[in-house]
This record gives sequence, structure tokens and C-alpha cells, in this order.
Amino acid sequence: NAGVMQNPRHLVRRRGQEARLRCSPVKGHSHVYWYRQLPEEGLKFMVYLQKENIIDESGMPKERFSAEFPKEGPSILRIQQVVRGDSAAYFCASSPMVGQRSSGNTIYFGEGSWLTVV
Amino acid sequence: GQQLNQSPQSMFIQEGEDVSMNCTSSSIFNTWLWYKQDPGEGPVLLIALYKAGELTSNGRLTAQFGITRKDSFLNISASIPSDVGIYFCAGRTEYGNKLVFGAGTILRVKS
Repeated sequence: NAGVMQNPRHLVRRRGQEARLRCSPVKGHSHVYWYRQLPEEGLKFMVYLQKENIIDESGMPKERFSAEFPKEGPSILRIQQVVRGDSAAYFCASSPMVGQRSSGNTIYFGEGSWLTVV
Repeated sequence: GQQLNQSPQSMFIQEGEDVSMNCTSSSIFNTWLWYKQDPGEGPVLLIALYKAGELTSNGRLTAQFGITRKDSFLNISASIPSDVGIYFCAGRTEYGNKLVFGAGTILRVKS
């Protein structure tokens, strides 16, 4: 996983509570991505952020979900008023840059945060 | 939106056999990546391809970036039990800023 750190690894929340998932990218990487994976499915893009900016949030549900990547500290994916359908693995990934035909175009993933809503 | 079609969906093979899986896209990509995911873990990068026609190996794994820039394949030679897992292809268009993933190929190996 090349140094992308996610926590918590496992999180249990009751319906209606809030879930906060944290991601520290590889040192020196300024691009962070969040993906969601439902059981036995592929990874679905949620949001792409650079420091202090949301670049592409086309995969984010319109309500209850938000993401940030502040100037200092980890990226946070926040899910408010969780429902059972939010139960999934949430993966964070990072890369140093985009748009170049080089290793800068490669994205490395963390080990994921497994959210269970009961 | 961009879609990747990955096949086969699953494979159950004998140890020692070679494996081949592929992905096709409706869009032209400038990057193809192949990942493996074990249960309860995140995807681990296996091979990265950045140029049409590029053929790259990583041990028993070989992947190619199709000439049309709309497809890629991954081959695993002489499979072993630890090859078991889910293999994902992923691609990014020249002006895209996110990876699009295939649905995955589940590989099971009989020893």
C-alpha cells in the first residue's frame, strides 16, 4: 500500500450516527482519492481532492457525505446520519501528480476502512 | 461515463496453469494499472502501463497496454496458490483525474 494510512480500519456505527474516516497520503503526495467498495463488487470513485480543494466529487452522494483535505492533517471522509446501505469498505488512495505519462500517474491505495452500520 | 469491461468475471484453475484476463474500454486511456486485492485488504499495485503497445513484466506477471489504447491484458504464468485473489484493471484518460476500475476477476487456484 506504499504508505497510505487509513484509520480506523473497522468502524461500527448505529443508524443515524456520524462516521469519520481518516486518510494520510504517502508523504509528498498532494492528491487524495476516496473509493467505496460494496461486498463482492469493484471500487467506485467517490471524490478527488488536492490540498484544500475538491477537484471532482462526481461520485459522492448528494446528501450526508462530505470530504475535505486540509492544508495540514489528513483527509477526512465524513458520513452523517449513517444508514445500513452505507456499510462498505472505504479506500483512500494518493498520488503525487496527474496528467503525466510517468510514475506520477500512479495511484497507491491504503488498506481501507470497513464501516458497518447496525 | 467511462466504463471498463473486465473479463472473465471469475476463474478456477489448476495450480501451474497460466491465466489471462483483460479489460476493454469505450474511451481512450493514457494509463492502465493492474491491482490485486486480498480479502480484507486494499488493492496492491502489480503493474503500471503508460504507453500504447507497452509490455511490462513483474515476475510471473505480464501486462500489455493495447495499441488502440482501449484495452489491456494481464497474464499470470505458472499459477500458485498465493495468486488467489481479486484482480482489478484500472485506467485513466489523458485529461481525466480519477481511475476508473473494472469489476474485477476472481481467481481461485486448485492445488
